[in-house]
Amino acid sequence: NAGVMQNPRHLVRRRGQEARLRCSPMKGHSHVYWYRQLPEEGLKFMVYLQKENIIDESGMPKERFSAEFPKEGPSILRIQQVVRGDSAAYFCASSPWTENTEAFFGQGTRLTVV
Amino acid sequence: AQTVTQSQPEMSVQEAETVTLSCTYDTSESDYYLFWYKQPPSRQMILVIRQEAYKQQNATENRFSVNFQKAAKSFSLKISDSQLGDAAMYFCASKEGKIIFGKGTRLHILP
Repeated sequence: NAGVMQNPRHLVRRRGQEARLRCSPMKGHSHVYWYRQLPEEGLKFMVYLQKENIIDESGMPKERFSAEFPKEGPSILRIQQVVRGDSAAYFCASSPWTENTEAFFGQGTRLTVV
Repeated sequence: AQTVTQSQPEMSVQEAETVTLSCTYDTSESDYYLFWYKQPPSRQMILVIRQEAYKQQNATENRFSVNFQKAAKSFSLKISDSQLGDAAMYFCASKEGKIIFGKGTRLHILP
């Protein structure tokens, strides 16, 4: 059973471009969480999704950011018109259908905006 | 509101000694989970230990144990016989649906 897979591991984008970060949860997991981590800081919650449904997006910036978790395929975190301040490590985690279990993390995608 | 507070940005402990990392949280739920995660320099998030809020018994995993004080909303992590490989950032987290993390404590192990 492969772990949570995130790709790419590193992504460089110029200001104004779009960034797409992918997360394949562990097999059988139907819950996905996205977090952003700035250097020397903690993980900031962004969004919590179930398949085809956004459960909680209270941590998502109102503009330029969106997330989806389709019935088939990986979860996608999309950042439009990136700015330098979007540079960070983005982590995805997944957990099974039973809500109150631990989440398993991917290795993160480091986004650099130049 | 769901919040997690770690008041110790950094801690140091001598190898083989014991150290306790502090965490307090706030929640309006009666059913929730608490976790400690470790993040070494590789940045991989690794689960150290978990505690179900409805269980009174403190969780233990080998050298790691917690002191869970539900009424005080306190959830500290004790690391016994500290090893060099324990050096990392440690994050306390609460889960009631979404998972919220504290800002972390950087643990240094002194040889």
